[in-house]
Amino acid sequence: SYELTQPPSVSVSPGQTARITCSGDALPKKYAYWYQQKSGQAPVLVIYEDSKRPSGIPERFSGSSSGTMATLTISGAQVEDEADYYCYSTDSSGNRRVFGGGTKLTVL
Amino acid sequence: EVQLVESGGGLVQPGGSLRLSCAASGFTVSSNYMSWVRQAPGKGLEWVSVIYSGGSTYYADSVKGRFTISRDNSKNTLYLQMNSLRAEDTAVYYCARQDCSGGSCYEGYWGQGTLVTVSS
Repeated sequence: SYELTQPPSVSVSPGQTARITCSGDALPKKYAYWYQQKSGQAPVLVIYEDSKRPSGIPERFSGSSSGTMATLTISGAQVEDEADYYCYSTDSSGNRRVFGGGTKLTVL
Repeated sequence: EVQLVESGGGLVQPGGSLRLSCAASGFTVSSNYMSWVRQAPGKGLEWVSVIYSGGSTYYADSVKGRFTISRDNSKNTLYLQMNSLRAEDTAVYYCARQDCSGGSCYEGYWGQGTLVTVSS
């Protein structure tokens, strides 16, 4: 079955840039999405279609995709950005969805 | 306002069955792609199943043949019938409405989740 691979954890100091990667064989042809999940809460979409930001999401969140890798960048990370981040996409058929394993972002 | 309210979770023995419900308001379930996503305690998100507006259904390999997604248009409700449950099916189950643009879809609205525990 199709998989998306993320690093388990990323740690930065406040104000630094955090980058979280997601690799998958179908990413050259399928969009990547990014969700933020804080403890005990439902996920919140922070990036869609590789690089678009939903309304209400701070400008410090950005996304990019090249080849088999998508990247979520948080420029000037804040303490409130501490959360688990999941990339999301579909397999080559477009029918089966998949989440990456998740990356725990620590900002301290 | 879009709302999704799951129910039906609880404790079930291995090998047992359970049916989850997701009551929707603010939109029409049958006109949208709807999905189920689960999260085991302390683990990551796992996509489970999707039903398209046309009725086509798709499943993760981990649940294929055991789970069935369906909807009741008259009740504007999504269901997940879970059979032959295993300990590894223990998770919070979220229902979600998919939003689609650019030829691709994603979970745009989420319910609050319902906990399923499979244990003897």
